[in-house]
Amino acid sequence: GNSVTQMEGPVTLSEEAFLTINCTYTATGYPSLFWYVQYPGEGLQLLLKATKADDKGSNKGFEATYRKETTSFHLEKGSVQVSDSAVYFCALGTGGGNKLTFGTGTQLKVEL
Amino acid sequence: NAGVTQTPKFQVLKTGQSMTLQCAQDMNHNSMYWYRQDPGMGLRLIYYSASEGTTDKGEVPNGYNVSRLNKREFSLRLESAAPSQTSVYFCASSDRDYSNQPQHFGDGTRLSIL
Repeated sequence: GNSVTQMEGPVTLSEEAFLTINCTYTATGYPSLFWYVQYPGEGLQLLLKATKADDKGSNKGFEATYRKETTSFHLEKGSVQVSDSAVYFCALGTGGGNKLTFGTGTQLKVEL
Repeated sequence: NAGVTQTPKFQVLKTGQSMTLQCAQDMNHNSMYWYRQDPGMGLRLIYYSASEGTTDKGEVPNGYNVSRLNKREFSLRLESAAPSQTSVYFCASSDRDYSNQPQHFGDGTRLSIL
């Protein structure tokens, strides 16, 4: 079956530090890959996506590249801000039904 | 600019009680989903509706039923609540049920069962 593995948190960084959150996946077929972000008390919001190998998704300074050879979709940002503090979820979608499989989430805390 | 609206936001039930969680979207999306979020487990799919008039089981359907009332609304019912169903429930929608379509989430219903 499909599965997504994320690095455990919490991850604590100083403002302007470089961020990497690792995500690897196992899937049948050719999945689409997503990063969602959840701010406290809110639902998930799409951060970025990639739908085929070597695609790079980007948004708000965040980037992730779909690496089929390493089955990875690591999230990166060059300089984090306090406002980036949230929980980040990696997810994959395959086949009919658009059923998403989520990782367990990684909490990011950014301090001044 | 409502997007996906869930009601209620919070609810406390006693074991054995029933209730219905409501979800409505105003984006004219075809597909809708119900997830539960538990600590350390990410989100797990309960049921989904690829289009109006169809529903299918997800990963954790036991103890739940759903109704796709029309294109806008998709409700989740707990017939006899159990403490194991204490969770945060999220409704989501997408334009189509293709794997490259992002899903849009509501703000969740926090449900406690005593």
